[in-house]
Amino acid sequence: GESVGLHLPTLSVQEGDNSIINCAYSNSASDYFIWYKQESGKGPQFIIDIRSNMDKRQGQRVTVLLNKTVKHLSLQIAATQPGDSAVYFCAEKPNDYKLSFGAGTTVTVRA
Amino acid sequence: NAGVTQTPKFRILKIGQSMTLQCAQDMNHNYMYWYRQDPGMGLKLIYYSVGAGITDKGEVPNGYNVSRSTTEDFPLRLELAAPSQTSVYFCASSSPRQGATTEAFFGQGTRLTVV
Repeated sequence: GESVGLHLPTLSVQEGDNSIINCAYSNSASDYFIWYKQESGKGPQFIIDIRSNMDKRQGQRVTVLLNKTVKHLSLQIAATQPGDSAVYFCAEKPNDYKLSFGAGTTVTVRA
Repeated sequence: NAGVTQTPKFRILKIGQSMTLQCAQDMNHNYMYWYRQDPGMGLKLIYYSVGAGITDKGEVPNGYNVSRSTTEDFPLRLELAAPSQTSVYFCASSSPRQGATTEAFFGQGTRLTVV
């Protein structure tokens, strides 16, 4: 079946460095993608989204890049802080109501 | 706004028991979802609803049932609990695409253990 996946299950980052989290998707019909952050014991929280008619979208300290040619999505976090430690999920929406998640990348920030 | 509210937060069930996980949202969202999250894994869609009176199966519906009698509420029913249903359950809601944001908002989760 078609699914969303993340390249690495864990990422360790030095505080202050930039983080890059990658995601590969396989459903070519998907035209909307979302990054979620999940802290321990909590539900996923929306970080940033991007539609397929865009290559890049920036938020506060976060940037999402979309490469439709190779079906690749990435989340960049600038100046990573201890509060950024969490599990990050990419999700795709092949239609209005279905949201499919990848397995997640656990980001650990080293002081 | 409270957003998406799930109850209970924790529950231990014995094999064969039944229970209902409650979910309510106050954002007037048409779409609601139930996901389960096993340790170290992503979220798997159990059931979803695009509006009151309309529900449909997701990826892993076996052993569960849902109903959607109102826009606000979307309860998930486990009839005969099995150890394989030990998981964290998340309810979510979202708006349709046209003229509105479409990201899903999640509740805090219900941690269910079946023993």
